[in-house]
Amino acid sequence: GEDVEQSLFLSVREGDSSVINCTYTDSSSTYLYWYKQEPGAGLQLLTYIFSNMDMKQDQRLTVLLNKKDKHLSLRIADTQTGDSAIYFCAEKQTGANNLFFGTGTRLTVIP
Amino acid sequence: DGGITQSPKYLFRKEGQNVTLSCEQNLNHDAMYWYRQDPGQGLRLIYYSQIVNDFQKGDIAEGYSVSREKKESFPLTVTSAQKNPTAFYLCASNTPVQHNSPLHFGNGTRLTVT
Repeated sequence: GEDVEQSLFLSVREGDSSVINCTYTDSSSTYLYWYKQEPGAGLQLLTYIFSNMDMKQDQRLTVLLNKKDKHLSLRIADTQTGDSAIYFCAEKQTGANNLFFGTGTRLTVIP
Repeated sequence: DGGITQSPKYLFRKEGQNVTLSCEQNLNHDAMYWYRQDPGQGLRLIYYSQIVNDFQKGDIAEGYSVSREKKESFPLTVTSAQKNPTAFYLCASNTPVQHNSPLHFGNGTRLTVT
């Protein structure tokens, strides 16, 4: 089965790094995604990583994948107030079209 | 510009009434999805459709119905049988034949039933 878990809240000061964590249980995951949701809006794809990779960097975003521990993290460098949002991790399993989402982590950036 | 349009953004209904949420995409995507979002919970799949004239139930289909008569459109009806319909509803689409096919989302419809 599928179970994707995230902590619900994270607060950081502007300029610090944020690290949002996610754990999943299904070892057949192929792709893992990070989405951002601003208030009252839909989900915006931030980045993704293929399950045979362990790291991906995209400007201020770094994704780390520990496949052995089924742990995924998203690091945001130099966090800005505009980064305040809910961040969802999601996994896509082999043969499935749908994604399975975590509960979302609400990131609050303190000026 | 390609995208997914959900309308209306806000919808208010009285208990006992059916209501239909619109979702249109011009991305030429084959598959479309409806999710429900409640505070503190992840997205839960209501229905999905991989091709025109075909759709499957998701994890929480009870009290909902859908149709897929056109590739571009996937309306969701919230019926009076849905016990707790107040929520934020998100429509998404993708092209599943591609290995990496992330979901593209609309901006959501917030439904309030009183």
